[in-house]
Amino acid sequence: DAGITQSPRHKVTETGTPVTLRCHQTENHRYMYWYRQDPGHGLRLIHYSYGVKDTDKGEVSDGYSVSRSKTEDFLLTLESATSSQTSVYFCAIRRDEKDYEQYFGPGTRLTVT
Amino acid sequence: DQQVKQNSPSLSVQEGRISILNCDYTNSMFDYFLWYKKYPAEGPTFLISISSIKDKNEDGRFTVFLNKSAKHLSLHIVPSQPGDSAVYFCAASAYNDYKLSFGAGTTVTVRA
Repeated sequence: DAGITQSPRHKVTETGTPVTLRCHQTENHRYMYWYRQDPGHGLRLIHYSYGVKDTDKGEVSDGYSVSRSKTEDFLLTLESATSSQTSVYFCAIRRDEKDYEQYFGPGTRLTVT
Repeated sequence: DQQVKQNSPSLSVQEGRISILNCDYTNSMFDYFLWYKKYPAEGPTFLISISSIKDKNEDGRFTVFLNKSAKHLSLHIVPSQPGDSAVYFCAASAYNDYKLSFGAGTTVTVRA
């Protein structure tokens, strides 16, 4: 158990509406990540954070923003959801800065209709 | 352009036999490689990793082999068990990079 929770676990929303997904960790790790998983693409990095208020873009950041106002929470926002953002979203943490392993939360399944 | 490639979307193997999963990469800066396992409706879980200074790492039934000159790695599962049925992702990172690049995944089905 990586001590990561994601909320909501499932969400259906309409095109054009804003959506915020939350990732919460209980172990005060510095690095947190947001990925999306799609068939044929594996896991693709959206944004990541290396500390409070320190974030950077991943390979598929268009249409997404993030915020990290405290160590334990990393929020992913879709400002205006589109059908192409229908996906499963995973949050991950990096436990040890000497290691490369990341540990994942249970995921949020988002459907944009 | 995907820098980590898993060219076999699926693999079916009989229980007790060996499963071999393959992964190729294009970025010569990658020097740490990982395998993750994912069950439906769950997050990926870390399975095994290997540094570029090694060519083999073993953990129980799981062994990862790295061929740097070919930019290729493989995961061997011996013997395969029904609980090994899952999606396996290969991932890679460059030295001191905080990000991982993932392959598209291989779905393994272990037949009884």
